[in-house]
Order: sequence, then structure tokens, then C-alpha cells
Amino acid sequence: AQRVTQPEKLLSVFKGAPVELKCNYSYSGSPELFWYVQYSRQRLQLLLRHISRESIKGFTADLNKGETSFHLKKPFAQEEDSAMYYCALAPSGGYQKVTFGTGTKLQVIP
Amino acid sequence: DAGVIQSPRHEVTEMGQEVTLRCKPISGHDYLFWYRQTMMRGLELLIYFNNNVPIDDSGMPEDRFSAKMPNASFSTLKIQPSEPRDSAVYFCASSSRNQADTQYFGPGTRLTVL
Repeated sequence: AQRVTQPEKLLSVFKGAPVELKCNYSYSGSPELFWYVQYSRQRLQLLLRHISRESIKGFTADLNKGETSFHLKKPFAQEEDSAMYYCALAPSGGYQKVTFGTGTKLQVIP
Repeated sequence: DAGVIQSPRHEVTEMGQEVTLRCKPISGHDYLFWYRQTMMRGLELLIYFNNNVPIDDSGMPEDRFSAKMPNASFSTLKIQPSEPRDSAVYFCASSSRNQADTQYFGPGTRLTVL
């Protein structure tokens, strides 16, 4: 069974401080990992996917298979980063069966 | 494209009543998903369709829940009878075969069962 764990429901940081949103997963095969974001009054949308190795809005996430983690990081938090963040996992080659974590609310304090 | 459209945006009903949530996916998308979002459990996949056919409904909580997709542009999620524990935000999402790893979400329907 595939499972995604986001241990923090709420993460508060000051503007300019580093951010790390934790995500751990369990899956027996090679998963595809994603981060989705939901800004206030906006739809849930894809932020980044591990396979692309991209940086979006200053955020990066590295897949660590040894630790089965996919933490989301940003060196300097901005107020506009305040949102709900969901880590998600899909089986490799079977993207449709996506499992989401419970989400972490990031609050950036001015 | 207006994106995924859901209606109603808010629904308040009494226990025992039937509730029908509606979704219009993005035109051309082959896959449609229904999710339920709660504080305790986060986003849970209830069911998904491919080309209007239900593929996996293992996430549907119980027989009170049913979903249909009569055509490529419309799907419904029905709860009958509704219970207070069904109160949640229900999201519909769609994706295309060519970009299957990206799901486009609707604005959600906030359901409150009194």
C-alpha cells in the first residue's frame, strides 16, 4: 500500500527564514512524487514534481529514496508563500492513483 | 477554458437528505477524479474514471456514496442518505492522457450535513 505522511499540520516561519515542509512516504516500488499547493481562495494546483528536478517559486524538493522522503525547501520564505501544501505520491507509470498527505499549512509571518 | 467546474460551491443539508454534487471536467481530459478533503484525513481519492468508465472506486466510503459519469463532460457524486460525518470539501479533478501526472482541480464543494 502507498502512504504519504506530512507530520506537521502547521508550520510558522518568519519572512526571510528558511522553510522545510516534511514529507515521508511508503511504497514498495519506485514512486513519482509531487507537491501541490492551495493558496487562499484558489484551487489546488501542482507546484512541482520530482522527476522534473525543477525549482518553482524558489521551492525545491529532492527525492531521498534511502530515507523515503521528499521534503519541500525554500531558502528564504516570502509572505506570498503562505498556503496549504500537499505532498503526493503516484505509482511509477500509473499516475492516476495518486495518494495525498494530510497537508501542511505554511504561515509566513511578516 | 474555465477549468474544472463544480456546483454547488456550498451545500447545507439535513441528515438523511440526498445530496448531489456536480462536476464538469476540462474539455479533452480523459480522466476524472473525486476527492474528499477533511482536516483529519487530508485529501482522499474516492473514485476515478477513465473515458467515462469507473476504474477504481475503492475509496468510496460506503454504499451511501455513488458516482456516475454519463458523458465526457459531466459527472455526479451522490450521497444518499447523508450523515453529519460526510461534512467535508469535495473536489473534482481532471487530467489528460498526455499529462497524466498533473491533475487540475475544481474549486470544491463545501458540504455541511446538520
